[in-house]
Parts: sequence; structure tokens; C-alpha cells
Amino acid sequence: EVLLVESGGGVVQPGGSLRLSCAASGFRFDDSTMHWVRQSPGKGLEWVSLITRHGVTTYYADSVKGRFTIYRDDSKNSLSLQMNSLRTEDTALYYCAKAETYDSSWIDFWGQGTLVTVSS
Amino acid sequence: QSALTQPASVSGSPGQSITISCTGTSSDVGGYNYVSWYQQYAGKAPKVLIYEVTDRPSGVSDRFSGAKSGNTASLTISGLQAEDEADYYCSSYTSSSTYVFGTGTKVTVL
Repeated sequence: EVLLVESGGGVVQPGGSLRLSCAASGFRFDDSTMHWVRQSPGKGLEWVSLITRHGVTTYYADSVKGRFTIYRDDSKNSLSLQMNSLRTEDTALYYCAKAETYDSSWIDFWGQGTLVTVSS
Repeated sequence: QSALTQPASVSGSPGQSITISCTGTSSDVGGYNYVSWYQQYAGKAPKVLIYEVTDRPSGVSDRFSGAKSGNTASLTISGLQAEDEADYYCSSYTSSSTYVFGTGTKVTVL
């Protein structure tokens, strides 16, 4: 069974930093492309970032580029998102998600999300 | 990267068919056959319904179908059921090798 469990969310002040983690199990993590997707309260989905298998390549939405860094530890089946210079508009539920295969354009499994609140 | 445009809401009676549109540009929807559709119930994670414009993962009802014409993709739900009441999002690969979601559509079963 595929499981994705996010952690690390919380309340942080504007300008602060936070690191989110996602523990993965039930599939070949090192061979998978992984995504972060967020959803502000009562709003729609927003794609944030992806990292290809083995960490070869990373991509970011313009809204987070230069502030967020996605990385993975294949030895621990772990995905992370380092978030710096946080803004109030970064407040959202952050989902860790798995692409169907390493080169698929769609997501087949999602975690339950971890909530990040940026507020003074 | 601007969100793809979807109608805010669509409604229909049980048994009817409804279609949700998803409009982008030639740099996303129109440029690639990498459009997918997700269903999301309140408080739950999204679930894929359609991938690569028209394909359905195993286990997804054949009442859901996808299509694309130019820069606009669409999701049709046939034989509308009460359980179809949810939020629906399209997503597309882009020319920047990133992804973009639609604005989301709330489906109401009357």
C-alpha cells in the first residue's frame, strides 16, 4: 500500500522559514518523480514544485522560485520542502504527491497534507 | 504561470450529463496532451479521474470522460449521481516543464 505522510507544518511569522517532510512507503521511492502541491484555505489547488527520480532535476512555480527548495533522501524514502522568506500568501495545506511513473504527467497518490500558517 | 480557467460552478440533475471546460494557452493545454482531471471532496485529498486528456486509470467509472480541442480541455460526467458532487480541477504540463492547475469547478447535483 502506498503511503505518503507529511509533517513539519505549523505557524510561522512572515519572513520566517519552515521545512516540510514527507515519509513515503509502499513503492520504489528512488524511481519516482515527486511533487508538492498546496491549497490555501477555501481555495483551489496550486502546483508548487517537483523533483525527478534520483533528484536529477527540480522545477518550481514562479510564486515560490528562489524561496523554496525541494530535495529528497532516497536512502530514507523522504521528500522535503525547505521554505524560506515565507509570506502570508504561502498559508496553505501542503500535499506531498507521487507521479504515476517517473515520467508521468499525472499524480496517482497524495498524502493528507500538512498545514502551514504564515501570520504575525 | 496563470491558472487554467474553469467555470466556478456547474450543476445538473441526476442522470443528466454535464461538461466542465478548462481553458489555457498554446504553452500548456494546447501544446501538450498532458491534461489530467482530479476530483476532490471537502476535506479530502484529490483523486485522479482522467490523465493524458482522455485516459482513465483503472477503477475510475466510465461515466467520466475527457477531451481536448485547441487550448480548451473538457471533462464530461455522464449519468450524474449524487456522489459526483465535489470540486473538480484540471491540470496541464507547461512549456516551462512545470505544471498548472485550473481554478476549480464546484459540481452540484440538483
